[in-house]
Amino acid sequence: AQSVAQPEDQVNVAEGNPLTVKCTYSVSGNPYLFWYVQYPNRGLQFLLKYITGDNLVKGSYGFEAEFNKSQTSFHLKKPSALVSDSALYFCAAYNAGNMLTFGGGTRLMVKP
Amino acid sequence: DAGVIQSPRHEVTEMGQEVTLRCKPISGHNSLFWYRQTMMRGLELLIYFNNNVPIDDSGMPEDRFSAKMPNASFSTLKIQPSEPRDSAVYFCASSFIGGHTEAFFGQGTRLTVV
Repeated sequence: AQSVAQPEDQVNVAEGNPLTVKCTYSVSGNPYLFWYVQYPNRGLQFLLKYITGDNLVKGSYGFEAEFNKSQTSFHLKKPSALVSDSALYFCAAYNAGNMLTFGGGTRLMVKP
Repeated sequence: DAGVIQSPRHEVTEMGQEVTLRCKPISGHNSLFWYRQTMMRGLELLIYFNNNVPIDDSGMPEDRFSAKMPNASFSTLKIQPSEPRDSAVYFCASSFIGGHTEAFFGQGTRLTVV
């Protein structure tokens, strides 16, 4: 069965410091992986995706993610966090049947 | 395109009443998802459709929940009868089949059953 795990409920980081939000996946076949962000009282917004090719994927707002097949991970990163990055972040994966499954979410808190 | 449109944005109803949530996907998209978000259970996939056909409804919690997609531009999620534990935010999302493109989410319907 397909699954996506985000091991941290919350990540705290100081503004200006690098941030990492972790994600591991279990998907049969080639994984299609995504990161979304959710601000309060809003729907999920797409950040970036990995389909194939370069393992380092760049997305919106300066975020990037690194696909690691051997570790089945797709961690979200940003070199320098902003207070405005504080939000709920979701990792997601498609399976061959087109089912889109989400991790439990990680709340990112960036403090000034 | 205006994006995925959900209605109503907020719904407050009494226990036992029927609730219908509506979704208009992005024009041209052929895959549609319904999710439920709560603090306790996070984001749960309830059901998804490909080309208007339900593919997997294993996430639908009970027989009280039903979903339809009569055409490519409209879907409903119905709860009958509603219960307080159904209180949550319900999201609809649409995409192209295949997973190569991202899914787009609506703003959600916040359901409160009292």
